[in-house]
Amino acid sequence: SAVISQKPSRDICQRGTSLTIQCQVDSQVTMMFWYRQQPGQSLTLIATANQGSEATYESGFVIDKFPISRPNLTFSTLTVSNMSPEDSSIYLCSTSSGQNTEAFFGQGTRLTVV
Amino acid sequence: GNSVTQMEGPVTLSEEAFLTINCTYTATGYPSLFWYVQYPGEGLQLLLKATKADDKGSNKGFEATYRKETTSFHLEKGSVQVSDSAVYFCALSEGGRTGRRALTFGSGTRLQVQP
Repeated sequence: SAVISQKPSRDICQRGTSLTIQCQVDSQVTMMFWYRQQPGQSLTLIATANQGSEATYESGFVIDKFPISRPNLTFSTLTVSNMSPEDSSIYLCSTSSGQNTEAFFGQGTRLTVV
Repeated sequence: GNSVTQMEGPVTLSEEAFLTINCTYTATGYPSLFWYVQYPGEGLQLLLKATKADDKGSNKGFEATYRKETTSFHLEKGSVQVSDSAVYFCALSEGGRTGRRALTFGSGTRLQVQP
């Protein structure tokens, strides 16, 4: 299994500012994923981040708004840029490994934009 | 593309009642299937999984069987407890060259168990 530490756990941010969310895994993993969970909704994939390559974004999400870094096999960041109240959500990181069939999740970052 | 459809909630049951949450899926290949649970104020936890047809996943009294012929993975529990109150997500993923691809989630079903 993999243990994922995600921070911050929650934040309240001003409109127009940016927030960077960090995700640290206790083992080396090939793929990391970032999801958004809007209030009362299911999880939607934002992007897939592989070490050493550009992140792959899903339809409706762009790099300028959600830049992602993946500097090594245990760490990734997601930045929510130029925030608006519509960005208020829970953001979760997740991992997948070639050896596992299940995904593990961080505790999530609850973001409120005012 | 892949998709997961699960029954609308909320589902309200009395303690010790039988639970079924329906889940059906559409996938292009041979996915693995999962149920995740999200307790109030907590993160997402894997409840159970099945990786091939006819597999039964089970955990904490919950069960689900991978039915390829009906493309279903219904969650069941014989006797629910108040502590089972949570949101349940059905999900699938397919294998990729470098590992499992991202999960595709259903919309989630909120379960409320009353004493």
